[in-house]
Amino acid sequence: NAGVTQTPKFQVLKTGQSMTLQCAQDMNHNSMYWYRQDPGMGLRLIYYSASEGTTDKGEVPNGYNVSRLNKREFSLRLESAAPSQTSVYFCASRSTPGASYNSPLHFGNGTRLTVT
Amino acid sequence: GIQVEQSPPDLILQEGANSTLRCNFSDSVNNLQWFHQNPWGQLINLFYIPSGTKQNGRLSATTVATERYSLLYISSSQTTDSGVYFCAEGESQGNLIFGKGTKLSVKP
Repeated sequence: NAGVTQTPKFQVLKTGQSMTLQCAQDMNHNSMYWYRQDPGMGLRLIYYSASEGTTDKGEVPNGYNVSRLNKREFSLRLESAAPSQTSVYFCASRSTPGASYNSPLHFGNGTRLTVT
Repeated sequence: GIQVEQSPPDLILQEGANSTLRCNFSDSVNNLQWFHQNPWGQLINLFYIPSGTKQNGRLSATTVATERYSLLYISSSQTTDSGVYFCAEGESQGNLIFGKGTKLSVKP
């Protein structure tokens, strides 16, 4: 039982390049989330998926797209990377039976992205 | 949206000391969670505690939902307790709003 797995762990991009961050969970969770963490800012929500087939914007969605590929996988795409997207990205998931959101959140180990 | 404030922002302790971290919320509490981010960056869920008190070893947490705050107690602190402690509360659509964290340094 690996929990929440993110790949890659580290990535360096040049401005304008694109890439996809992968996330998979093996806990049969309904809801999945992408956060970014910047120094002094805590964690901020980029996008989330309350259930398979749905995605919604969070606090800082500009410059990102997401795909909920199936119940296990939720990917985050940067179409044209900018230096402002240098950050640590965390994927998370939790069980939300019957659309109840009262459950603990489980995080992956993060992807450290640098855009030069 | 929900506002989450944590205090203190920084805390330095000698090994063996006790500490209390506080989290205040601007709206009703129903999904309160505490996390520890270790020095390697991993985020670990410590407590899911929308109300009441829970204990796990040397850590315990209390949430007073009617007064919109939660407290995290660390007793007999160890160097491995160092890191950043975050609290988070949920919005109706399911996402969690995080505070900016309390950075704890435990000195040997």
